Amino acid sequence: QVQLQESGPGLVKPSQTLSLTCTVSGGSISSGSYYWSWIRQPAGKGLEWIGRIYTSGSTNYNPSLKSRVTISVDTSKNQFSLKLSSVTAADTAVYYCATNYYDSSGFRFGPWGQGTLVTVSS
Amino acid sequence: QSVLTQPPSVSGAPGQRVTISCTGSSSNIGAGYGVHWYQQLPGTAPKLLIYGNSNRPSGVPDRFSGSKSGTSASLAITGLQAEDEADYYCQSYDSSLSDVVFGGGTKLTVL
Repeated sequence: QVQLQESGPGLVKPSQTLSLTCTVSGGSISSGSYYWSWIRQPAGKGLEWIGRIYTSGSTNYNPSLKSRVTISVDTSKNQFSLKLSSVTAADTAVYYCATNYYDSSGFRFGPWGQGTLVTVSS
Repeated sequence: QSVLTQPPSVSGAPGQRVTISCTGSSSNIGAGYGVHWYQQLPGTAPKLLIYGNSNRPSGVPDRFSGSKSGTSASLAITGLQAEDEADYYCQSYDSSLSDVVFGGGTKLTVL
């Protein structure tokens, strides 16, 4: 079973860039079976998909965040990363990385990382 | 406001049956895209509960079932247990937005 673990700073200043890394274990990020996604959840609120990457490097982003988001993959480290620029307090949330499987029933998520809280504050 | 609409909360007594609805439109559920359900226990990450409208991943009890009709989907939980108290989210694909969408989530309280 693939496992995921997020890492990165828990506090980011407004206008700066949020950077998180997801380390995948128990399987190769290059296997081609999955896409790899980032999802966030503000406290007490619902889930928002941020974007995904395939091992080829191709990406898809949520249109509402597209201008500020970059997702990349490092197959040598079995990791993928998220960068979100020009952050504001509205970007404060728990950030999850997740496998993103695609088949005839569409895209679905799982397994997920445990999540990491990122607070945007000066 | 979420593209997929769920009731904010539902409740039921132990042993009872509850359902959670997920209402979409002709550009998502009604277009034939699969609906997936996630369970988020307090303080934990979401977990895939139902995929492709009605399929259970390995390890998910058969007390949980999913269905879809028209532009809506439903999650049913029978034999309600205290450990089922959680937030539940539906998710699908929307052709107008060209990507995945989540419902706003439903908090299940076991009385």
